[in-house]
Amino acid sequence: QVQLVQSGAEVKKPGSSVKVSCKASGGTFSSYTISWVRQAPGQGLEWMGRIIPILGIANYAQKFQGRVTITADKSTSTAYMELSSLRSEDTAVYYCARVREYGDYDLWGQGTLVTVSS
Amino acid sequence: QSVLPQPPSASGTPGQSVAVSCSGGSSNIGNGPVTWYQHLPGTAPKLLIYNNYQRPSEVPDRFSGSKSGTSASLTISGLQSEDEADYYCAAWDLDLDDYVFGSGTKVAVL
Repeated sequence: QVQLVQSGAEVKKPGSSVKVSCKASGGTFSSYTISWVRQAPGQGLEWMGRIIPILGIANYAQKFQGRVTITADKSTSTAYMELSSLRSEDTAVYYCARVREYGDYDLWGQGTLVTVSS
Repeated sequence: QSVLPQPPSASGTPGQSVAVSCSGGSSNIGNGPVTWYQHLPGTAPKLLIYNNYQRPSEVPDRFSGSKSGTSASLTISGLQSEDEADYYCAAWDLDLDDYVFGSGTKVAVL
């Protein structure tokens, strides 16, 4: 049974960067796409971008263009999401999720809390 | 301003039915499949409905989805206390080239 296991909570200073990992435990990414979604306190779910690990092709939500980089290491079935120029509004729980053929997300990581504070 | 507005809240008593609407446009709901997620605080979102109306095997059949034109709806029949959660619709938006989530609806079981 594949699980997506994310890295632990982070506390960052404004202006710095954070890199969150998402590893497929008990299996591989196969040909699936991996997406990243976040939820800020009191807010809804927000899509950040996605990557096709076997191709290494990523695309990003307009809102995060230029600030987010999503990469993947096929050999370890690990995806990464790096967000730069952090500000307090980036304080959120960040999730990775596996994308299926109808565009639905059937498998989610446990979430990683990123706190941006001076 | 969400691309997929949903009512902020909905409620019902145990056993009742509750419907959650999701309003979109021709570039999103009108052009592809709709997905519904259930989100409980402190946990990862859970896939509830995919491809407009299909349900993963582990999701109880009291959850059902439908789509008509540029709108979609999630119905919870026979509401139970454990259904108290936030519910989000989602779809790909061709104009934005983004995956968009609805604004979310908090369902309360009275």
